[in-house]
Amino acid sequence: GQNIDQPTEMTATEGAIVQINCTYQTSGFNGLFWYQQHAGEAPTFLSYNVLDGLEEKGRFSSFLSRSKGYSYLLLKELQMKDSASYLCAVMDSNYQLIWGAGTKLIIKP
Amino acid sequence: IAGITQAPTSQILAAGRRMTLRCTQDMRHNAMYWYRQDLGLGLRLIHYSNTAGTTGKGEVPDGYSVSRANTDDFPLTLASAVPSQTSVYFCASSPGTNNEQFFGPGTRLTVL
Repeated sequence: GQNIDQPTEMTATEGAIVQINCTYQTSGFNGLFWYQQHAGEAPTFLSYNVLDGLEEKGRFSSFLSRSKGYSYLLLKELQMKDSASYLCAVMDSNYQLIWGAGTKLIIKP
Repeated sequence: IAGITQAPTSQILAAGRRMTLRCTQDMRHNAMYWYRQDLGLGLRLIHYSNTAGTTGKGEVPDGYSVSRANTDDFPLTLASAVPSQTSVYFCASSPGTNNEQFFGPGTRLTVL
């Protein structure tokens, strides 16, 4: 079966760095996506990785290792507005997204 | 219209009633999707459409139907609603099947 695993909840301090991990087992791989979802709102796109390595975009970076079925999202200089759920999703061989249940990130002052 | 819209925002529905959730995008995206999001679960694909005139079944299609008569609209119909269909429904679109997806604001549906 297809499976995406990520921690249910994480807590971090304003100004700090946090890493949210995602492991996956899917039928085929056509890229891995990270989305941010604030409570009561729609998911919004953060990053896309299809090749191994690190993709940096401002305060956010995303890493992929296809051989290990592993990705992480790194958030630097945390701000209170970063409190949200972070969703990991893998595009399978049929170009459909398989979604993890999301990691709720709580930022404390 | 800017982006992707959904209607209604929320709805309370009696079991057994028929309901259509509307989704419209103005980005001329080829692909559109319907997901449901339940607490503790990831987004689950209900139906999708890779291009106007075509549709396909996702992971949880039972009890739902869709149509794609044109590029902009992708309505989702519940023929006879059941309480297990209580959920938040998101419509999404993407330029092609291997691109990032853009989400509508969602419809919160409660079936009693």
